[in-house]
Amino acid sequence: AQKITQTQPGMFVQEKEAVTLDCTYDTSDPSYGLFWYKQPSSGEMIFLIYQGSYDQQNATEGRYSLNFQKARKSANLVISASQLGDSAMYFCAMRETDRLAFGKGNQVVVIP
Amino acid sequence: DTGVSQNPRHKITKRGQNVTFRCDPISEHNRLYWYRQTLGQGPEFLTYFQNEAQLEKSRLLSDRFSAERPKGSFSTLEIQRTEQGDSAMYLCASRTSGELQETQYFGPGTRLLVL
Repeated sequence: AQKITQTQPGMFVQEKEAVTLDCTYDTSDPSYGLFWYKQPSSGEMIFLIYQGSYDQQNATEGRYSLNFQKARKSANLVISASQLGDSAMYFCAMRETDRLAFGKGNQVVVIP
Repeated sequence: DTGVSQNPRHKITKRGQNVTFRCDPISEHNRLYWYRQTLGQGPEFLTYFQNEAQLEKSRLLSDRFSAERPKGSFSTLEIQRTEQGDSAMYLCASRTSGELQETQYFGPGTRLLVL
């Protein structure tokens, strides 16, 4: 069964605008972690942000913030003030035991 | 330290040949993970090590695949008798042990093409 769902089609966003990437997850474990990674065309997975299931506040890292809605089991990534270098695939992942389960990703293209 | 490194970055081989990939983790990281990513998909877990011990293997890891981490530092992933379906990006990641929310940091990956 799909643990992480990312269903948005490819997105075009204007430079300097904000973009929200949706992620829903499925788990019965009360303790879990959620991650977002960026994968540019070079292929490397770059860690962006982490949210623990017991964290009281939404995580933020620079221009990245995570809109964590535990009851809805969603962990959306918000990228503010988009830059051309933000063009990439973005993957949501959930820690289950000690492995990561990834979604299929969201393609983002930033246009000038 | 420059992060996780993987070699080679690209590998083209003929069906039936054996291939071996290497991963060097971040030096203080004692956990090392292998993932496989096919086109249009997210990475899928293959196996992981704590130091030299292989603690978990996915069902994706058929008996043609073997991974080692003999001295608890670098790791190798070998695929024997390669098949066209093995064509994928092979990603290595590492992290420190301890708190389970510790982030896994990924290397640049090895792109395998089986002809």
